[in-house]
Amino acid sequence: EAGVAQSPRYKIIEKRQSVAFWCNPISGHATLYWYQQILGQGPKLLIQFQNNGVVDDSQLPKDRFSAERLKGVDSTLKIQPAKLEDSAVYLCASSLVGTTTDTQYFGPGTRLTVL
Amino acid sequence: LAKTTQPISMDSYEGQEVNITCSHNNIATNDYITWYQQFPSQGPRFIIQGYKTKVTNEVASLFIPADRKSSTLSLPRVSLSDTAVYYCLVGDLGTGANNLFFGTGTRLTVIP
Repeated sequence: EAGVAQSPRYKIIEKRQSVAFWCNPISGHATLYWYQQILGQGPKLLIQFQNNGVVDDSQLPKDRFSAERLKGVDSTLKIQPAKLEDSAVYLCASSLVGTTTDTQYFGPGTRLTVL
Repeated sequence: LAKTTQPISMDSYEGQEVNITCSHNNIATNDYITWYQQFPSQGPRFIIQGYKTKVTNEVASLFIPADRKSSTLSLPRVSLSDTAVYYCLVGDLGTGANNLFFGTGTRLTVIP
């Protein structure tokens, strides 16, 4: 079974530039999550999708971050404009149905460096 | 919001049993306790999940006392490949971002 795919693996940009990350979840998984993991910290959930609808985006900085999951499969997370404090690893995860006991499967992440 | 507290780091020799305890004093009735393992440059990987008492799978055991205010992940006979960061996660996955919180993680180092 193929895992969660993310691209790119690494990205370096200057502050105020824009960047986009792509995620392809495990086939058949209805729930998709985006996390931000700053060096030395645990992952912080930014947004959760159920199919192509948003379950919760209360921790997403909406003035600069946006995410979409068209057709309920792939998802894109965008930052515009980037700030220095956005330097982090952005992890995508998916789960089958998103219930309490559902296991999340994580991708390898995209490491973003903002200069 | 059920925040968690874990030791920052632990060292263990190969072949020993390792117990990592997580405190979650404000755990809610519907919350489950899940442990993840993370290697450098990889996403977290599910280890085990439980609600109460004891859960065991092929890689670990999870002990949860009756009050559920803490939990202990037990790794039997650790090897060098178990060196990683272990996260305790408490929450109800069905209710979204406000109720999902990874702890600070415990960095386990297995010594030959």
